[in-house]
Amino acid sequence: GNSVTQMEGPVTLSEEAFLTINCTYTATGYPSLFWYVQYPGEGLQLLLKATKADDKGSNKGFEATYRKETTSFHLEKGSVQVSDSAVYFCALSRSLTGANNLFFGTGTRLTVIP
Amino acid sequence: DTGVSQNPRHKITKRGQNVTFRCDPISEHNRLYWYRQTLGQGPEFLTYFQNEAQLEKSRLLSDRFSAERPKGSFSTLEIQRTEQGDSAMYLCASSLGGDSTDTQYFGPGTRLTVL
Repeated sequence: GNSVTQMEGPVTLSEEAFLTINCTYTATGYPSLFWYVQYPGEGLQLLLKATKADDKGSNKGFEATYRKETTSFHLEKGSVQVSDSAVYFCALSRSLTGANNLFFGTGTRLTVIP
Repeated sequence: DTGVSQNPRHKITKRGQNVTFRCDPISEHNRLYWYRQTLGQGPEFLTYFQNEAQLEKSRLLSDRFSAERPKGSFSTLEIQRTEQGDSAMYLCASSLGGDSTDTQYFGPGTRLTVL
């Protein structure tokens, strides 16, 4: 079946530290991969996505590369800011029936301290 | 604001009561999805619509749950005879449609508390 395993949190970093949040997936075929972010008191927002192997998604200084050989989509940022404090969800979309419904990981809470 | 909207944002009800939530998708989006998110977990798919047709339902969607999208625009999710286990955040998302590269845009959610 389809599933996403995400690095457990919470993660606490100092401002300007390097961030990695690990995500691995299990899926039949070739899913699309997503990172969503949920800021405090707000809804889920798409952060970045990649739709095929070796694609790199990027946005707001965050990057993730679709690695088919390791079935991974790790999220990275070179220098985090306090405003990056949020919950990050890795997700995949795999259309077998046309639904394209998303399968999410459990989320990783990031807190960045000044 | 042209994003996905959901109403109400919060709902507190007593066990056994019926509740209904509404979702207004982004206007040109053909697809509409409902998800449920419990504390400390990621969202789980419940059901989806292509225009007015409900094309897929998760096994999570028991007989007490029903969803409609009567004119292919807004959608409602009704839970009958609520149980404490129904307490969760109910999320709506919409998308243009297409293959698995399609991006879903989420609303703020309706938080349900069943006492």
